[in-house]
Amino acid sequence: QSALTQPASVSGSPGQSITISCTGTSSDVGGYNYVSWYQQHPGKAPKLIIYEVTNRPSGVSNRFSGSKSGNTASLTISGLQSEDEADYYCNSYTSSTTLVVFGGGTKLTVL
Amino acid sequence: QVQLVQSGAEVKKPGASVKVSCKASGYTFPTYDINWVRQATGQGLEWMGWMNPSSGNAAYAQKFQGRVTMTRNTSIRTAYMELSSLRSEDTAVYYCARRVGAPSAFDIWGQGTLVTVSS
Repeated sequence: QSALTQPASVSGSPGQSITISCTGTSSDVGGYNYVSWYQQHPGKAPKLIIYEVTNRPSGVSNRFSGSKSGNTASLTISGLQSEDEADYYCNSYTSSTTLVVFGGGTKLTVL
Repeated sequence: QVQLVQSGAEVKKPGASVKVSCKASGYTFPTYDINWVRQATGQGLEWMGWMNPSSGNAAYAQKFQGRVTMTRNTSIRTAYMELSSLRSEDTAVYYCARRVGAPSAFDIWGQGTLVTVSS
């Protein structure tokens, strides 16, 4: 069982917006602004798309945005495109001995 | 360009050890921590630990304490992850990743190394 909870799957049509949640505790998501999001296509390494809750690395589309409320972080993808179909993972720093925890991942299907 | 290149696939027997390498290029190697993350087939990402290439200090996830060792050779800009007492559940793709800024932000990833544990 992953330390952070994500929905197993979400779907949306091209052009629509979707949101993926990532729920933790006050020891991780809620306690620090150190939530990151990654996109992973099949057979590829993960790609950083959001860091420190809301920041986008250079070169990442502004269709990707992040936010946080309490113990839940969220990733929103607007203007869905077929190439957005992938697995998405959140992670966070944690005050536990684990130090860094990942969510279980969410499979995004673009209909 | 900035990249991490990992060593090739390995097949090991239960009880053996495996050492995976991760060679950095395109940036100042000692400046950024190297993290190791694994992913079993069809499963999610699991953080294993990090290593500071400048000091050599490392911190490991509790699950792997006593079985994992992360080291580096700065002269050849290479980080290593060694996992011992392998069992079938350790079969996975192992990634190295560079940490940038925040403790959980990994901006550059290696291509992954498949480690298969089978008798």
